[in-house]
Amino acid sequence: AQKITQTQPGMFVQEKEAVTLDCTYDTSDQSYGLFWYKQPSSGEMIFLIYQGSYDEQNATEGRYSLNFQKARKSANLVISASQLGDSAMYFCAMREGLTGGFKTIFGAGTRLFVKA
Amino acid sequence: DAGVTQSPTHLIKTRGQQVTLRCSPISGHKSVSWYQQVLGQGPQFIFQYYEKEERGRGNFPDRFSARQFPNYSSELNVNALLLGDSALYLCASSLRGQTNNEQFFGPGTRLTVL
Repeated sequence: AQKITQTQPGMFVQEKEAVTLDCTYDTSDQSYGLFWYKQPSSGEMIFLIYQGSYDEQNATEGRYSLNFQKARKSANLVISASQLGDSAMYFCAMREGLTGGFKTIFGAGTRLFVKA
Repeated sequence: DAGVTQSPTHLIKTRGQQVTLRCSPISGHKSVSWYQQVLGQGPQFIFQYYEKEERGRGNFPDRFSARQFPNYSSELNVNALLLGDSALYLCASSLRGQTNNEQFFGPGTRLTVL
């Protein structure tokens, strides 16, 4: 069954340090996309980074990188040089193709707290 | 360029009533998806529409229905409201709804059922 697991309900990180948010997924589809979103307390969902199932290189977007380990079905988000504005909920999501009914499944989220 | 817009922003209904939520995608986007986000949880997929046809459906009862119009805007309808339907309803648009298409989310509609 399609599933996204985020095992860290909350994480603390010191400002300017790097932090890794964990995400594992389960799918029988060969073609899928993995996404990370940030949701501040204001509620809007902000796209951060995307990794395709056939991409061989790990995705990077500025301070965000995705550590994609396909055999282990993990897609961890790494935030480098944390900033106070990074404090928010972070969601890992997977979108499947035709086989999976074009569903997008979200994890339960990880709340990140950045300390000054 | 305008992002994804949703209306209304907030809505209060009573049990048993019906509600219609509206979404306008980013210009040029042909796919719209709907999600329900209960407080403290991740969004739950409800529907995906592409080119006015339903292409994906999550595990929601038949009380939930949606449609997409020729201009690619979309409506989500919920009948016979229950207290448990209280949530933030998010709409997201993407170019074609494919696995590699980034989704852009609207600000959501906060529904409260009393």
